[in-house]
Amino acid sequence: EPEVTQTPSHQVTQMGQEVILRCVPISNHLYFYWYRQILGQKVEFLVSFYNNEISEKSEIFDDQFSVERPDGSNFTLKIRSTKLEDSAMYFCASSGGTGGGYSNQPQHFGDGTRLSIL
Amino acid sequence: RKEVEQDPGPFNVPEGATVAFNCTYSNSASQSFFWYRQDCRKEPKLLMSVYSSGNEDGRFTAQLNRASQYISLLIRDSKLSDSATYLCVVNMGDSSYKLIFGSGTRLLVRP
Repeated sequence: EPEVTQTPSHQVTQMGQEVILRCVPISNHLYFYWYRQILGQKVEFLVSFYNNEISEKSEIFDDQFSVERPDGSNFTLKIRSTKLEDSAMYFCASSGGTGGGYSNQPQHFGDGTRLSIL
Repeated sequence: RKEVEQDPGPFNVPEGATVAFNCTYSNSASQSFFWYRQDCRKEPKLLMSVYSSGNEDGRFTAQLNRASQYISLLIRDSKLSDSATYLCVVNMGDSSYKLIFGSGTRLLVRP
């Protein structure tokens, strides 16, 4: 079964440094997402991306965050000048096969990158 | 009121038991509904979508009551491997693809 893959599985970074989290969505999916989950808390939406642009973002997704699809397979989340409170599990997800996606199509999640800010 | 509300549990049941989880959502315009399961420190995995007429997948049955803004999940003949956190997830639809997660209900199935 096709799956979303994320790298690295664990990233440790000093506060103030930049990090890039990488994702390879399911190949025929058109919609891509980032979510995060702070330890012990619920999963929170960060951003959705379609047709090479952000389609929706949450208030968490401020100017320190950016997303990019640099080629036909990768989808990245960049966090500039990381803060202690950015420590969380970051999940990439994708949905919507060829022919267009619909909001009732379920999103499939990668196994996450655990980001630890020191 | 929380957007998606669930009883955190834990529900501690013996193998073979039937257990039901409930979830309420605040936005009556919500259009899509899902149950995901999450094992400790792992990613959410889709368990099933929830349809208006209710739907079943093996031992799992999901129900939706739009009038009461209520979703349920029934697990029959519980297995040890069902131990996990069950996440109620809602999508607002229209032009939004954002999923809104509940905090989850923890299930422990004991031998």
